[in-house]
Amino acid sequence: KAGVTQTPRYLIKTRGQQVTLSCSPISGHRSVSWYQQTPGQGLQFLFEYFSETQRNKGNFPGRFSGRQFSNSRSEMNVSTLELGDSALYLCASSLGGSEYNEQFFGPGTRLTVL
Amino acid sequence: KNQVEQSPQSLIILEGKNCTLQCNYTVSPFSNLRWYKQDTGRGPVSLTIMTFSENTKSNGRYTATLDADTKQSSLHITASQLSDSASYICVVNTPRGGSQGNLIFGKGTKLSVKP
Repeated sequence: KAGVTQTPRYLIKTRGQQVTLSCSPISGHRSVSWYQQTPGQGLQFLFEYFSETQRNKGNFPGRFSGRQFSNSRSEMNVSTLELGDSALYLCASSLGGSEYNEQFFGPGTRLTVL
Repeated sequence: KNQVEQSPQSLIILEGKNCTLQCNYTVSPFSNLRWYKQDTGRGPVSLTIMTFSENTKSNGRYTATLDADTKQSSLHITASQLSDSASYICVVNTPRGGSQGNLIFGKGTKLSVKP
C-alpha cells in the first residue's frame, strides 16, 4: 500500500509570491491534515479536511488555505509569502472517523522563502 | 493554555544503553496521547497511541507509560540502536466534536545514539 505522498519535496520562493503544495493520502483515507514544522515552534496544526470539507482549523492567518478534492487529494495554498513561512509542511492522512485513528505522515515539502 | 513539554531537549547515549524520555502536558480535555519518531528529513512515524485508561503500551523496544492523574508520560527505549537516532515527539489529542481532534505537539527530544 503506497504511503502519503507530497509534491514538490523542495520549493524556493520569494516574499510576496504564492505557493501551492499537494498531498495524496493513503488509498481509502478520507481525512487529510496539514502541519507546519519549524525549529522554533515545532509542529503546529494548520487545518483538517474530511470529505472535501474543512472541519478543523488551527491558529494561522487567512493567507493559509486549503482544499480537498473528491478523490481525497488535498492542496494547501499560501499567499503573499513572508520570510517566516519558511518551514517543513507536512500532511497526514487517516481514515478520519475517530480521534483515535492513527495519522500517517508524508515526507513533507521544504519551503524556503527568500 | 494547552501545552506539551518534553525533556530533555536533547540526549546522547551509547549504543546498547537504555534511555527514558519525559512528557508533561496540561491539555484538557484529554482524548489520547501519542509518541512519534521523526528521522531527519522525514515525516513523523507513530510509535504508540494511549487512551486515558491505558498505563503502558509497547512497540518492540519502545515502551510508553501514561499517568493521567499527574499528566505525565514517558517513552523508554531498551537496548538502543544507531537507527534510534531521531527526534521523539509527544502529542496529546484533545477532542473536538466532528473532527479527529486537536493535536497538541511537544517540541521533541533529539536523541543521538553513538557507537
